[in-house]
Amino acid sequence: AQSVTQLGSHVSVSEGALVLLRCNYSSSVPPYLFWYVQYPNQGLQLLLKYTSAATLVKGINGFEAEFKKSETSFHLTKPSAHMSDAAEYFCAVSAGGFQKLVFGTGTRLLVSP
Amino acid sequence: DSGVTQTPKHLITATGQRVTLRCSPRSGDLSVYWYQQSLDQGLQFLIHYYNGEERAKGNILERFSAQQFPDLHSELNLSSLELGDSALYFCASSVDKGGTDTQYFGPGTRLTVL
Repeated sequence: AQSVTQLGSHVSVSEGALVLLRCNYSSSVPPYLFWYVQYPNQGLQLLLKYTSAATLVKGINGFEAEFKKSETSFHLTKPSAHMSDAAEYFCAVSAGGFQKLVFGTGTRLLVSP
Repeated sequence: DSGVTQTPKHLITATGQRVTLRCSPRSGDLSVYWYQQSLDQGLQFLIHYYNGEERAKGNILERFSAQQFPDLHSELNLSSLELGDSALYFCASSVDKGGTDTQYFGPGTRLTVL
């Protein structure tokens, strides 16, 4: 079975500061990993995904994530936060050829001026 | 706009009632997934259909059922509703059924059971 742990239900940063959202996964087979963003009253939008190609994955809106097998991590980063980045971020895993996504509990990113 | 549409946006009903949520996938997508998002359970996978056939079941209650029609739209039926069924229900679609395909999410249906 697969699972995802997101450390920190809330993360606060100042505009222009580094964003770091943590995700650790557990999977008995090579995983596929995803980061989704959810803005208030909207559905989920894919930011980026890891599918066993390059370990450093670049996504939309300046976000990137690095797959580290030794640490079972897939942390999401952005060098400089923008007010529009304020949203909830979900890490998800799928594995074994099945497309069921297993989501973490989410991290709410707050950006202050 | 993901291209996935869900109706209705909001649904308010009473305990014991039955409702149907509808999802139209993106053009060309053969897979449809249903997820439930609630405060206490988070985002949970319910069920996956591929080209009209059920492919996988998650934490879906027996009171809930789904189907995918020949035109590929899907419906999620929730019956004997309880207060705890109040949640956001998302539909997602993808091109195929492989593990790397991106799932595109609809805007969701917010169900309130009173």
